[in-house]
Amino acid sequence: GIQVEQSPPDLILQEGANSTLRCNFSDSVNNLQWFHQNPWGQLINLFYIPSGTKQNGRLSATTVATERYSLLYISSSQTTDSGVYFCAVESYNQGGKLIFGQGTELSVKP
Amino acid sequence: DTEVTQTPKHLVMGMTNKKSLKCEQHMGHRAMYWYKQKAKKPPELMFVYSYEKLSINESVPSRFSPECPNSSLLNLHLHALQPEDSALYLCASSHFSGQDNSPLHFGNGTRLTVT
Repeated sequence: GIQVEQSPPDLILQEGANSTLRCNFSDSVNNLQWFHQNPWGQLINLFYIPSGTKQNGRLSATTVATERYSLLYISSSQTTDSGVYFCAVESYNQGGKLIFGQGTELSVKP
Repeated sequence: DTEVTQTPKHLVMGMTNKKSLKCEQHMGHRAMYWYKQKAKKPPELMFVYSYEKLSINESVPSRFSPECPNSSLLNLHLHALQPEDSALYLCASSHFSGQDNSPLHFGNGTRLTVT
């Protein structure tokens, strides 16, 4: 099956810093989503982005499908950005079988 | 607030108990999902329902039994669980399964402890 690798596994930032999280995947995908899981376990969908670039406030994401990677940019980080960021992908014709990467655990210090 | 509602938030059950987890969404989504998440791990897909029919079962043990009574509701019936089944159980929904532009929306989960 498709493999999903996220880097870095852990990241500590000072409030106000910028960061880039990476997601590599091993096969062509028709579905790629980024999620944020807060310290209380709530999973929030950040982006649906199988290709191209999207922006939402301080967050933006870019997926280069031909090169099989996606990047999540966080600018001017805040303590509320802390948590785990997951990339999840689905290969073609998988009927909704979204596979999650291991995640990047982000800690933003005040 | 999440638009996918899961109950209960916490559940403690013995290995001989029977219990059910419930999930409800009113977004008109036609696909619903159960995921299991252990601590410090990513969510793992258990089941997918598409148009109220089970479309994916990821070889889940029969002590977990899903049910989709209608397009808004999803249940997970639990029986004779093991301590290693303790985890966060997440319900999710999307417009469709396996089709374009169907972002996944998660509930807040049920934290299950099996004693």
